[in-house]
Amino acid sequence: IVLTQSPATLSLSPGERATLSCRASQSVSSSLAWYQQKAGQAPRLLIYDASNRATGIPARFSGSGSGTDFTLTISSLEPEDFAIYYCQQRSTWPLFTFGPGTKVDLK
Amino acid sequence: QVQLVQSGAEVKKPGASVKVSCKASGYTFINYGVSWVRQVPGQGLEWMGWISVSSAITNYAQSLQGRVTMTTDTSTTTAYMELRSLRSDDTAIYYCVRTCTGENCYPRENNWFDPWGQGTLVTVSS
Repeated sequence: IVLTQSPATLSLSPGERATLSCRASQSVSSSLAWYQQKAGQAPRLLIYDASNRATGIPARFSGSGSGTDFTLTISSLEPEDFAIYYCQQRSTWPLFTFGPGTKVDLK
Repeated sequence: QVQLVQSGAEVKKPGASVKVSCKASGYTFINYGVSWVRQVPGQGLEWMGWISVSSAITNYAQSLQGRVTMTTDTSTTTAYMELRSLRSDDTAIYYCVRTCTGENCYPRENNWFDPWGQGTLVTVSS
């Protein structure tokens, strides 16, 4: 299964809403997660099973979708949210794949 | 707290092997699995493989089959990833990450990749 993310780069200002897309080449049901990676750091889990926030993740992060189309929404960007976001699927367990990432940068 | 601490950076020549360690703490090691993910600097994430700590069952990405071996030592709660016949395009940051010991874990959050080690830079250069 190939994951495609769009856009590749999203240029926004603090306080704006960010909408990131992840599309799967075939259905992954709800077996999709989102990760955030800040510069120089390891990724961290944000959303699992398409729409569940991981422990400690702020409510401004939300996920939606099922099947082949998924969305990560950041309702109001904070300065610390400028990072790269990856989607990942596990419907083909024990094989996993990541999307290519979307960079959210400062406008 | 749950933590994965990896070994330090390595510089290897083409054709050599590297073995990266990942020391786990703060949780019951045998109840989880460990995946390895690599990232060429400035590029995306590539899943390399997975090992169930309790059963030692492994599954590797097809692109690395025959060159990678993942193991664990339950006495020291440490996971290892060995990559052989290194090439220049193996230059990357290698991460270990905790995940489910099997197909489904509860709570369901444990099915995913969390937490991650800090990463180990492996440079392959002649």
